[in-house]
Amino acid sequence: AQSVTQLDSQVPVFEEAPVELRCNYSSSVSVYLFWYVQYPNQGLQLLLKYLSGSTLVKGINGFEAEFNKSQTSFHLRKPSVHISDTAEYFCAVSRSNDYKLSFGAGTTVTVRA
Amino acid sequence: SQTIHQWPATLVQPVGSPLSLECTVEGTSNPNLYWYRQAAGRGLQLLFYSVGIGQISSEVPQNLSASRPQDRQFILSSKKLLLSDSGFYLCAWSQGAEGYTFGSGTRLTVV
Repeated sequence: AQSVTQLDSQVPVFEEAPVELRCNYSSSVSVYLFWYVQYPNQGLQLLLKYLSGSTLVKGINGFEAEFNKSQTSFHLRKPSVHISDTAEYFCAVSRSNDYKLSFGAGTTVTVRA
Repeated sequence: SQTIHQWPATLVQPVGSPLSLECTVEGTSNPNLYWYRQAAGRGLQLLFYSVGIGQISSEVPQNLSASRPQDRQFILSSKKLLLSDSGFYLCAWSQGAEGYTFGSGTRLTVV
C-alpha cells in the first residue's frame, strides 16, 4: 500500500512571498501524484497532477510541482502568494493499477498581508 | 461536461438516528465512485469505493454502509449514528488516472 507524508502541517507566509509545501510518498508500484486545494467548508479542487512525462508540472493559480523519483517527493511551489491562496493543501497518490487515492494529512497555508 | 452533486450541505443529527447522504454524477457513465471522511484537523480517509452497480468495497470497519443502486448514484448510510461519525463527508468520482472530481461535501454533526 502507498502512504503520503506532508512534512508541514502549518505554513504561515507573507503576501507576495514564495511558498513550498513538501510531500513525500512511499509505494511499491508506479504511482500518479496530485495536489488538491480545499477552501473552508468546500470540496477539493485539483491544482495539478503528474501522470508521466516532464517532471515539472504546472497547475492552476500559478502553482507548480516537481516529481523527484529518487527522493520519492512531489513538492508544491508558488513564487508569489496572494491572500486568496489561504487554504488547506493536500498531496495525494494513486497506484497506477487501481486508482485509489491516498491523501496526506494536509498543510494549512495562511497568507498574511 | 461532468458534474457531481452531493447533498445535504450540512446536517445535524442526534446520536442513534439514521443517516442517508446522497451523491449523483452527471455527464459520464460507469464512473468509479468514492466516499471519503475528513475529521476535524485530519486528512481524508477513504471509506468506500465502487467500480459498478451493486459493487461496494469497504476500506475501514465502521458504523457506516454504502450502496450504489444506479450507475451514477452513490449513497452513504447508517442505521444508528455515533458521536464519532461527525465529520465532513466527500463524494468523488473518477475514470482512469485523470484524478478524482470531488463534490462540495456534507458537514455532519452528531449531537
